[in-house]
Amino acid sequence: KQEVTQIPAALSVPEGENLVLNCSFTDSAIYNLQWFRQDPGKGLTSLLLIQSSQREQTSGRLNASLDKSSGRSTLYIAASQPGDSATYLCAVIVGGFKTIFGAGTRLFVKA
Amino acid sequence: SAVISQKPSRDICQRGTSLTIQCQVDSQVTMMFWYRQQPGQSLTLIATANQGSEATYESGFVIDKFPISRPNLTFSTLTVSNMSPEDSSIYLCSAVTSGSHTDTQYFGPGTRLTVL
Repeated sequence: KQEVTQIPAALSVPEGENLVLNCSFTDSAIYNLQWFRQDPGKGLTSLLLIQSSQREQTSGRLNASLDKSSGRSTLYIAASQPGDSATYLCAVIVGGFKTIFGAGTRLFVKA
Repeated sequence: SAVISQKPSRDICQRGTSLTIQCQVDSQVTMMFWYRQQPGQSLTLIATANQGSEATYESGFVIDKFPISRPNLTFSTLTVSNMSPEDSSIYLCSAVTSGSHTDTQYFGPGTRLTVL
């Protein structure tokens, strides 16, 4: 059974700091991995999608890496801003389009 | 890409009643899904909404409790039946525009349900 774990569960950093969020999954048989952002009481916004054949994806200040063989992904946020404060969710897509989510990392960036 | 809207955005309901949540996508999509996010927890897939046929439910979810319809390629409904306080959650609709596993999954804003 596929399980997705995110570490840390919560993180508080001062503005401007670079940070790394970690995601691990137990079964390497995935089609892709997607990072989402969720603001309080809101839906999910897709940040980055990494296909299983890819190693990383970048969008602006965000960089996500994928090591499928070891079951790990990281989301790197450069020069964090208060507007980055949100919950970040990692999800893996397996057969039948089933998406399995981690519990998320709650990020707070202090001004 | 796809833009997804949901109605209602939130509701407060009495125990024993039912609520139907609507999900509308701005373009035709191949796959639509319904998720539940209980307070303080991550998302759990309820079912895949199949166009013109019965939904495919995940373990722990049944049609009598969560009937789903998908009459066309842009619209789906989820009904939460005979509600109890344990059903208080955010319910989210999502869609994949193509039939490829490499496609991005898009989410609606969610429906926040409180059952008293």
